[in-house]
Amino acid sequence: NAGVTQTPKFQVLKTGQSMTLQCAQDMNHEYMSWYRQDPGMGLRLIHYSVGAGITDQGEVPNGYNVSRSTTEDFPLRLLSAAPSQTSVYFCASSQYRLGYGYTFGSGTRLTVV
Amino acid sequence: GQQVMQIPQYQHVQEGEDFTTYCNSSTTLSNIQWYKQRPGGHPVFLIQLVKSGEVKKQKRLTFQFGEAKKNSSLHITATQTTDVGTYFCQVSGTYKYIFGTGTRLKVLA
Repeated sequence: NAGVTQTPKFQVLKTGQSMTLQCAQDMNHEYMSWYRQDPGMGLRLIHYSVGAGITDQGEVPNGYNVSRSTTEDFPLRLLSAAPSQTSVYFCASSQYRLGYGYTFGSGTRLTVV
Repeated sequence: GQQVMQIPQYQHVQEGEDFTTYCNSSTTLSNIQWYKQRPGGHPVFLIQLVKSGEVKKQKRLTFQFGEAKKNSSLHITATQTTDVGTYFCQVSGTYKYIFGTGTRLKVLA
């Protein structure tokens, strides 16, 4: 099993550009989420999904969109990149909504210039 | 909203010394998870605690859930250089998993 796969690993964007961060899991997990990690800020929840077709906002959703058309995939879209979105982005999945641990992807390091 | 604080923010220890990080919540928790993130890596799940007063051990790591289920601790006995990293607690709100601010551990050989 590959677990949680994130692509790309690194990306540089210009301000105003849009892009999609890809996340796929092969563990048939219902629950998936996106976090961003900034120095000194820990991990902050952007969006999450409790199943295909169901998404909701986390702590810092502004500037990001998500969709969940299949159980396996949960892409994160940056609509118009801003320097404040420079961060490391992690996708994670879990078998159950409450309890149990997350499996994290290896992350995408995004720089917006 | 729900607040989750971890203390200390940083900890430097000599190899062989013990280390403890604490996770404190403003609300009663249904469960708590602990993760370790190595420098440059991604968080890796360590353990879940569910019951009031629960204590679990993994080799040199001891995890405890408070009696009131509003706090938890992770204790490492006789730290090794492989323990270097940031330790996060994670709690669940309504469908949302919130991470603590993390404790960064440095181990000096």
